[in-house]
Amino acid sequence: AQSVTQPDIHITVSEGASLELRCNYSYGATPYLFWYVQSPGQGLQLLLKYFSGDTLVQGIKGFEAEFKRSQSSFNLRKPSVHWSDAAEYFCAVVSANQAGTALIFGKGTTLSVSS
Amino acid sequence: ETGVTQTPRHLVMGMTNKKSLKCEQHLGHNAMYWYKQSAKKPLELMFVYNFKEQTENNSVPSRFSPECPNSSHLFLHLHTLQPEDSALYLCASSHTRDRGAYEQYFGPGTRLTVT
Repeated sequence: AQSVTQPDIHITVSEGASLELRCNYSYGATPYLFWYVQSPGQGLQLLLKYFSGDTLVQGIKGFEAEFKRSQSSFNLRKPSVHWSDAAEYFCAVVSANQAGTALIFGKGTTLSVSS
Repeated sequence: ETGVTQTPRHLVMGMTNKKSLKCEQHLGHNAMYWYKQSAKKPLELMFVYNFKEQTENNSVPSRFSPECPNSSHLFLHLHTLQPEDSALYLCASSHTRDRGAYEQYFGPGTRLTVT
């Protein structure tokens, strides 16, 4: 069965430091992968997506992610974190359910930014 | 209005009440979703609609009743809820699988408290 694992429940990073959030997936075929961000009390906003092609994908707000098939990973990175990046981050993979395009989400990683 | 909107944003209801959550998307999508987000738990897919037809019911209790009158509107009717149903209910929309686009766009959510 498909699944997504985000090993880190909570990460604290200093403002200006680099960030990497980990995501591992289990999927039988070529995965379609996503990163979403959720600010407190808000819905989820799509940061970036990977369908095929270049394994390094660029997203909004200066984020990027690298797809590594050999490691079944899709880690999210940002070279310099801003205080406004504090939020919860979710990795997701599209479900193989043929009926629709439902996503399977990881449990999320909460990012705190210290000054 | 743009994107995906949800009303109300906050709802407090007693266990014997009947209420409805509303979702509207302005993106020209044909698939809509309800998710439940509880504290400390991953996002749970509840229902999927493709072209107004329900294509997935993820073992949701019958006290939750979805309705999709057209591709732009989605409702979640609530009755005789339990306190454990208190959560953030998120609506999302996307193109259908045949369009080759899988990303979902989320509304801001309805924070439901059952007393």
